[in-house]
Amino acid sequence: DTGVSQDPRHKITKRGQNVTFRCDPISEHNRLYWYRQTLGQGPEFLTYFQNEAQLEKSRLLSDRFSAERPKGSFSTLEIQRTEQGDSAMYLCASSLTSATQYFGPGTRLTVL
Amino acid sequence: KNEVEQSPQNLTAQEGEFITINCSYSVGISALHWLQQHPGGGIVSLFMLSSGKKKHGRLIATINIQEKHSSLHITASHPRDSAVYICAVTSTGTASKLTFGTGTRLQVTL
Repeated sequence: DTGVSQDPRHKITKRGQNVTFRCDPISEHNRLYWYRQTLGQGPEFLTYFQNEAQLEKSRLLSDRFSAERPKGSFSTLEIQRTEQGDSAMYLCASSLTSATQYFGPGTRLTVL
Repeated sequence: KNEVEQSPQNLTAQEGEFITINCSYSVGISALHWLQQHPGGGIVSLFMLSSGKKKHGRLIATINIQEKHSSLHITASHPRDSAVYICAVTSTGTASKLTFGTGTRLQVTL
């Protein structure tokens, strides 16, 4: 399968714990995006990378959130000191420059 | 007011009906996207368009740049078309990050 993959698919954690999600984009795609989607809403942009450079971050991305794409391939999104309001589906997408974005299956986070 | 508005929020249709979902936006865009999301989260891109009309199978997407409006049409709807349909835009100067509408939940019954 050469699509976008995300791991884990589901994560349940207690408030205050740190969590890390991984996204593996389509191999030749240079752009990688992170979005967050809460129940009944459309996704919201969090951040994006072009190769290994993080070029834009949303105001939604508080200082508890950090994302990396160290070698311009896979990316990680870490949330420190999780809060109940962080419960959401975290979606990763990749594209070749400004072309169509291909989405992964998402990681559903539940913070108890 | 959201930058991308969709209507209706929910839509129920009988198999075979012609369906229209509308999207209005308030910003300058370089492209408009229609996406499909099935239960469980997976999102699939249906169309990316910046002018005119595109067709793929039973799906047709149109855009009117002057009116800042787009429509997604489904001809001869089928229960397998049941999903959430999301309109999203790439605003000019934003390097292709997407701004999404809240989606239209479509249920097609037999």
